Amino acid sequence: DAGVTQSPTHLIKTRGQQVTLRCSPKSGHDTVSWYQQALGQGPQFIFQYYEEEERQRGNFPDRFSGHQFPNYSSELNVNALLLGDSALYLCASRTGTKTGYTFGSGTRLTVV
Amino acid sequence: TQLLEQSPQFLSIQEGENLTVYCNSSSVFSSLQWYRQEPGEGPVLLVTVVTGGEVKKLKRLTFQFGDARKDSSLHITAAQPGDTGLYLCKAGSQGNLIFGKGTKLSVKP
Repeated sequence: DAGVTQSPTHLIKTRGQQVTLRCSPKSGHDTVSWYQQALGQGPQFIFQYYEEEERQRGNFPDRFSGHQFPNYSSELNVNALLLGDSALYLCASRTGTKTGYTFGSGTRLTVV
Repeated sequence: TQLLEQSPQFLSIQEGENLTVYCNSSSVFSSLQWYRQEPGEGPVLLVTVVTGGEVKKLKRLTFQFGDARKDSSLHITAAQPGDTGLYLCKAGSQGNLIFGKGTKLSVKP
């Protein structure tokens, strides 16, 4: 049973560029959340998608946007990359509201 | 802004020792979760606690949710090198999902 899969695993981008990260949720899960984890910090909530709509959003600028597809997979887009966007980006999925999230291994984004 | 404060930030112990890490907040939460994260991996859910005063055990790990549902503790008995990792607490009420900064545990053989 495949868990949450994220692609790519590592990515290097130049400041000012745009990036798209992808996530396939665990089978049977319909809710996807994205987190940013800077080195040595806990994950910070970016946003959550359910039924193809953004349901909740953390304190991130509009440069961060997302999408959920009918098959529940999701994308995270970041425009006008800054050096400070370098981090591990985690995708997590669940079903319902009472269960814990299953996390992917993340995409390590480095902005140079 | 709701905050989760975890302590200690770092903990280095010898195999066989016991330890307790804490997760505290001034806010009341409907539920709280503990995760363990290894380098290069995503967090893995250990337990969810929902009732004030609740105690859950997972082998050598004991989790407790405070009576007022504002704090939680994780106690590890006879720690092993395989327990090494970043222990994160996560909570949310009314949709505001937050993680603490974590306790980085190192268990030396």
